[in-house]
Amino acid sequence: GAVVSQHPSRVICKSGTSVKIECRSLDFQATTMFWYRQFPKQSLMLMATSNEGSKATYEQGVEKDKFLINHASLTLSTLTVTSAHPEDSSFYICSARGPGNTEAFFGQGTRLTVV
Amino acid sequence: QQQVKQSPQSLIVQKGGISIINCAYENTAFDYFPWYQQFPGKGPALLIAIRPDVSEKKEGRFTISFNKSAKQFSLHIMDSQPGDSATYFCAASITSGTYKYIFGTGTRLKVLA
Repeated sequence: GAVVSQHPSRVICKSGTSVKIECRSLDFQATTMFWYRQFPKQSLMLMATSNEGSKATYEQGVEKDKFLINHASLTLSTLTVTSAHPEDSSFYICSARGPGNTEAFFGQGTRLTVV
Repeated sequence: QQQVKQSPQSLIVQKGGISIINCAYENTAFDYFPWYQQFPGKGPALLIAIRPDVSEKKEGRFTISFNKSAKQFSLHIMDSQPGDSATYFCAASITSGTYKYIFGTGTRLKVLA
């Protein structure tokens, strides 16, 4: 299957700082990318959907000013957690889908810890 | 109506046994049903997927059974192995529009050696 690379795999940041997570599709053009958040032993919660060159569509309850999503190219989307707080600590996962594809490919996830 | 209900929450199976995980949905507009396997600290990986025009799909030891009238689908893992121990998620999607996945709550499978 296609490869989606997510970086970093782990990050620790101080409260009040911002952290950026990158999601790259390595061998296909990702017209749509999805960002999920996963708490321990829980399911994936969709945060937002982004189409290349367009503003992201956020799910209800997700603060768009806190979780900034940029999908500037067909191979790269970024999630920036702004003014991070300990409650933002979580596992963040991206997925990407190419045009005409039914399958979405997932990145390996980023463990964010805010101290 | 957007929910996908998954059961059981956890499952313990002996090596060589059959693992069965069930999912149910309400929205009849869903037309793509993938199953994902997730190991701790990793992203989900696609196992197998099915469309509602097919009642069963088999890939190796993994089989999806799909009951359109009951709005249910299940994953069967034949000859379960300790390496299959992971969390399994079903999902549902509408292939027109945004195509976002609605995930089930997950099943933690443990296969005993």
